[in-house]
Amino acid sequence: GAGVSQSPRYKVTKRGQDVALRCDPISGHVSLYWYRQALGQGPEFLTYFNYEAQQDKSGLPNDRFSAERPEGSISTLTIQRTEQRDSAMYRCASSLSGQPQHFGDGTRLSIL
Amino acid sequence: QKEVEQNSGPLSVPEGAIASLNCTYSDRGSQSFFWYRQYSGKSPELIMFIYSNGDKEDGRFTAQLNKASQYVSLLIRDSQPSDSATYLCAVNMFGTSGTYKYIFGTGTRLKVLA
Repeated sequence: GAGVSQSPRYKVTKRGQDVALRCDPISGHVSLYWYRQALGQGPEFLTYFNYEAQQDKSGLPNDRFSAERPEGSISTLTIQRTEQRDSAMYRCASSLSGQPQHFGDGTRLSIL
Repeated sequence: QKEVEQNSGPLSVPEGAIASLNCTYSDRGSQSFFWYRQYSGKSPELIMFIYSNGDKEDGRFTAQLNKASQYVSLLIRDSQPSDSATYLCAVNMFGTSGTYKYIFGTGTRLKVLA
């Protein structure tokens, strides 16, 4: 596609459920990043991939969060046993190696 | 000290004036610097990037970088009401994992008054 695609756009789930957020990067972009953005704040780094390799996961808040990019294209961010504090906008961005990032529209996650 | 610092604002300027947005960063080894604009409820969009000391101009926008002072700024000339948004500074920093990663500031909210 022309841009970074994220799905779903909105996700509402009950506390304790697992959620999977999907990111489809711009075709050919080798680097893929996940961020979390709270209202009025800048994007907070979670993790990133070059191709299928997870280069840095230091921003993942705890072991309930994980991410994968098995074929070096689409990535999934999974949150297990969700808690209300996980409610936020989750953003994905992709780039060519060493080039600026381009963001998707994000997934708004609400935990009830 | 935060890794990337911006004044949260709001910064209010009259239409037609120059808006000056500032950003400081902590990692002296950082090499790449980016400005993104984010309208309320939308995703960040890239405005400019700069790698070398000095100025880089693109239309009404000028990015300025001073690595010695660890300071990067964005000037918007002839500000328009449509420029009203949050401006995010991002720096590509070397992390503890041994790779570079992008760190964003909290953003400066700009209001251009008609």
